[in-house]
Amino acid sequence: EVRLVESGGGLIQPGGSLRLSCVASGLTVTNSYMSWVRQAPGRGLEWVSSLYTSGNTYYGDSVKGRFTISRDSSKNTLHLQMNSLRVEDTAVYYCARGGGYSNYLYFSVDLWGQGTLVTVSS
Amino acid sequence: QPVLTQSSSASASLGSSVKLTCTLSSGHSSFIVAWHQQHPGKAPRYLMNVESRGTYIKGSGVPDRFSGSSSGADRYLTISNLQSEDEADYYCEAWGGNTHVVFGGGTKLTVL
Repeated sequence: EVRLVESGGGLIQPGGSLRLSCVASGLTVTNSYMSWVRQAPGRGLEWVSSLYTSGNTYYGDSVKGRFTISRDSSKNTLHLQMNSLRVEDTAVYYCARGGGYSNYLYFSVDLWGQGTLVTVSS
Repeated sequence: QPVLTQSSSASASLGSSVKLTCTLSSGHSSFIVAWHQQHPGKAPRYLMNVESRGTYIKGSGVPDRFSGSSSGADRYLTISNLQSEDEADYYCEAWGGNTHVVFGGGTKLTVL
C-alpha cells in the first residue's frame, strides 16, 4: 500500500521551532516530487514547499527563510523544519506526493498523508 | 501566476448530477488541473487530473460516477448519481509558475 504518515505536530509558542516528519511506504521519496501543503482552521489548502527529485527546493513566500524541506533517503522520510513560528502558521500540515514541474509537464499532488496539526500560540 | 476560481458552494439532490467548475485565469487555459475531495476533518483525497483537451485520468479507487471535462479555461468535475458521501469540499490544483502550486478556494458541495 502506498502511504504517507506525518508526525511531529503539536503546540508551540510563537518564535519556536518544530520539525515535521513524513514516512513514506510504497514509494521512494528520492524518486518523487514531494510537497508540504497546509490548511489553517476553516480555510482552504495552501502550498508550503516542494522538494524535487533533483534536490531543488521551493518555498511559498509566507514561509521562505523560516522553513526548510529535506529528505532522508535511508529512512524514506520527508521533513519540514519550521523555525521562527508565527501564530498564522497554525494549521494542519499535509505531506503530499507531487507538486513538481519538469519538461513542460506538471506532476500534480496525487497522494496525501493524514496530516499533523501545528498550533502556534502563547 | 495562474489563479484558480471556484464557486464557494454548490448543491444538488441525492441521485442527481452536479458539475463543479474550476476556472483558470487569463493566459493559462492550457494548464492541467487536478481535483481533490475533502470530507470534514479528513485529509484531502486525489480524484483526477483534467487536461485542456478534456481527457482525464482518475486516481485509484475513484468511483465511475466521477468524471472530468474541459472547455476553454474551465475544468469541470462532474459527479453523477450523487450519494450522501459525496458531500464534501472540492479543491482544484494547478501549476503555479513561480508560486509552484496553486489551489482554488474550494467548493462546498451539499447533497440535498
